[in-house]
Amino acid sequence: KAGVTQTPRYLIKTRGQQVTLSCSPISGHRSVSWYQQTPGQGLQFLFEYFSETQRNKGNFPGRFSGRQFSNSRSEMNVSTLELGDSALYLCASSLGGAAGGYTFGSGTRLTVV
Amino acid sequence: AQTVTQSQPEMSVQEAETVTLSCTYDTSESDYYLFWYKQPPSRQMILVIRQEAYKQQNATENRFSVNFQKAAKSFSLKISDSQLGDAAMYFCAYRSPNNNDMRFGAGTRLTVKP
Repeated sequence: KAGVTQTPRYLIKTRGQQVTLSCSPISGHRSVSWYQQTPGQGLQFLFEYFSETQRNKGNFPGRFSGRQFSNSRSEMNVSTLELGDSALYLCASSLGGAAGGYTFGSGTRLTVV
Repeated sequence: AQTVTQSQPEMSVQEAETVTLSCTYDTSESDYYLFWYKQPPSRQMILVIRQEAYKQQNATENRFSVNFQKAAKSFSLKISDSQLGDAAMYFCAYRSPNNNDMRFGAGTRLTVKP
């Protein structure tokens, strides 16, 4: 059974640009959650998508957006990049209920210069 | 809002010995789920063990076990017979049945000495 796949693994962007990250969940998982991980703030929740609908959202500015497709694959977009957006972005998939844990991908390391 | 606190930024243990990582959380809910995740240098977060709050029995997965004290809101992880491969960041996490985001602690970096 394939795991959670995140692409790309590494990304370098310039301030002001925008970026799109992709996440393919485990087959059969309908929920995809995104987290931002930084040394200073730790793991912070961005948003969760379930069956193509945003079900939950963290406290991030509107520059951070996402979507989910009918095959459960999800994309996350960050517009007008800032230096502080440099982080590891983790995607996690699950069946959708709260009882189960997440299965995480290996993340996308975004560096903004 | 639920918060998760890991008071030990770093811990070290000798190979083959036992180590306990601490975690406390704050919640007003009576039903919830608790998790420990491991993040090695490869970056991928791996689920180590989970506990359902309504179950009094402490969860165990091979060398990993938890000490769940619901009244004290404490959820510590015990690693027995530590191995070099156990070296990683360990995150404690809380998940409410009503709110589907998982809240993580700041993490504990575990070093295993040969």
